[in-house]
Amino acid sequence: EPEVTQTPSHQVTQMGQEVILRCVPISNHLYFYWYRQILGQKVEFLVSFYNNEISEKSEIFDDQFSVERPDGSNFTLKIRSTKLEDSAMYFCASSSQGRQETQYFGPGTRLLVL
Amino acid sequence: SQKIEQNSEALNIQEGKTATLTCNYTNYSPAYLQWYRQDPGRGPVFLLLIRENEKEKRKERLKVTFDTTLKQSLFHITASQPADSATYLCALEPEYGNKLVFGAGTILRVKS
Repeated sequence: EPEVTQTPSHQVTQMGQEVILRCVPISNHLYFYWYRQILGQKVEFLVSFYNNEISEKSEIFDDQFSVERPDGSNFTLKIRSTKLEDSAMYFCASSSQGRQETQYFGPGTRLLVL
Repeated sequence: SQKIEQNSEALNIQEGKTATLTCNYTNYSPAYLQWYRQDPGRGPVFLLLIRENEKEKRKERLKVTFDTTLKQSLFHITASQPADSATYLCALEPEYGNKLVFGAGTILRVKS
């Protein structure tokens, strides 16, 4: 069964450093998403992406964040200057259509900012 | 304000019993609700989707109901097993956009 994959599974970085989280969505899906989950808290939406542009973003997704689909299979989240409060699990998701369709999630990247 | 709420306390049940989890929402009019399972340190795994014109949906031992008048969805696991122990998340899509808004989840513990 097709699944969303993410790399790395764990990332430790120093505050102020840049990190890139990578995702390979399900191959025939067209809509891509990033969510995050701070330890013990809810899963929160960050951004959705379709047709090579951001379709929606949350207040969390400020100028330090960016997303890109550099090729036909990868979808990346870049955090430019990490802060302690960016420590969280980051989940990538994809869906075949934009609304009223199941979003399938990857296993997550655990980011720890020291 | 808009809210989506799930049982805040963990649900502890005996193996073989039916577990019932609740999801209530306020100031949303979702066209559908989704239920996910999440194990510690893992991503949400999709279980069931129910649309507003569907009162009930089943998949094996799972059943979901959706009452748009009560603004509530109930998630049932029949003949529960210790392997069903996990956190169960409900999520809805607001009227505009295509993001999912998640509840905090309910921890289910099934004891043998």
